[in-house]
Amino acid sequence: DAGITQSPRHKVTETGTPVTLRCHQTENHRYMYWYRQDPGHGLRLIHYSYGVKDTDKGEVSDGYSVSRSKTEDFLLTLESATSSQTSVYFCAISESRQGPGELFFGEGSRLTVL
Amino acid sequence: EDKVVQSPLSLVVHEGDTVTLNCSYEVTNFRSLLWYKQEKKAPTFLFMLTSSGIEKKSGRLSSILDKKELFSILNITATQTGDSAIYLCAVGRWDGGSQGNLIFGKGTKLSVKP
Repeated sequence: DAGITQSPRHKVTETGTPVTLRCHQTENHRYMYWYRQDPGHGLRLIHYSYGVKDTDKGEVSDGYSVSRSKTEDFLLTLESATSSQTSVYFCAISESRQGPGELFFGEGSRLTVL
Repeated sequence: EDKVVQSPLSLVVHEGDTVTLNCSYEVTNFRSLLWYKQEKKAPTFLFMLTSSGIEKKSGRLSSILDKKELFSILNITATQTGDSAIYLCAVGRWDGGSQGNLIFGKGTKLSVKP
């Protein structure tokens, strides 16, 4: 299995509080991604990173920010959580030099915003 | 707008049946099409297809891509209860500046009854 660890795995928080999810990899892969998965929507890309300090927005980036200060860590921050951000969040990594290729996923972080 | 459409959304079969899952797409700068299996946690990689007409096989699973008609199928023969899962189709596109990313369909939920 690819070495991807997400933390926390489960979190319950209240509306308006900040939340940070962490993704840690031991594969030294260049590309890292944050997806959210919701019933009826499938997996949707929030943000991704193609190198240290290099990040870009995905299709559902509003209300989220990311940071990547080291190759191995990719942080997803909800500055002020809302109930619509209740979801399962997946981190993924990839090392494809020729465009989008195989992603390896973490186990997911279930976030509930009350 | 780029999109990936999977059908059917859900499917119930009995052990031993053969199933065909469909994935059609409209994506600019197509690079690859990938299939994933998702049981209770993280999606796991099955196949990546980049060329038309070349079947990829792994045991009882096989997949083929038609780049002219913009679709792919995933076949599972002699289904087993362990094949019960959500099957995800994703299409990779090349953004030019960075690696690009994957767009996922909503998935097909397959249930295999004993």
